[in-house]
Amino acid sequence: DAKTTQPTSMDCAEGRAANLPCNHSTISGNEYVYWYRQIHSQGPQYIIHGLKNNETNEMASLIITEDRKSSTLILPHATLRDTAVYYCIVRVAGGNAGNMLTFGGGTRLMVKP
Amino acid sequence: GAVVSQHPSRVICKSGTSVKIECRSLDFQATTMFWYRQFPKQSLMLMATSNEGSKATYEQGVEKDKFLINHASLTLSTLTVTSAHPEDSSFYICSARDTNTGELFFGEGSRLTVL
Repeated sequence: DAKTTQPTSMDCAEGRAANLPCNHSTISGNEYVYWYRQIHSQGPQYIIHGLKNNETNEMASLIITEDRKSSTLILPHATLRDTAVYYCIVRVAGGNAGNMLTFGGGTRLMVKP
Repeated sequence: GAVVSQHPSRVICKSGTSVKIECRSLDFQATTMFWYRQFPKQSLMLMATSNEGSKATYEQGVEKDKFLINHASLTLSTLTVTSAHPEDSSFYICSARDTNTGELFFGEGSRLTVL
């Protein structure tokens, strides 16, 4: 799986949009960009994933650059409960049995009142 | 959405004893499950890949005789920490791969404290 680079930490004001960047310059053509988050003392929670088109669901939006070398996760109206570590991971979707998720350092997002 | 259940969520044990952690996929079959370990303020580190009906594959540096993995059914994998020591205290997380879709789902994690 391609390596990703994320800022170590970010702050965001409650109610504002949180924009979390991720660089994945070595991504392969068949690798998707996945985002998970981990709230303290819980297992990772799936947020969203995409291949090359922008994606949106009830939790967030994912913007992938045209060259696919970077992406941004957008939480449109951050709340205090969005405080967590956000992981950007690239991997082949579905795939074979050995296709685990490899976690980098992630971005620690602190949403402040 | 798909649910993966881990049990127990918290366990405290004495040094030298063994502890078993269960990981169950509740509404899908999982031929493959993954076990991760996470120390405070660190990321998740893959320990081993658990395959139903066969031996687990361990990552470099993870002792297979200390961390016993059994994946006897399509919905259950267990991790047994044998002869636990305080340095084994950690947050253990499993992930199950849906056999049909290939997507991965995580359990809630199990916090082990060895006294």
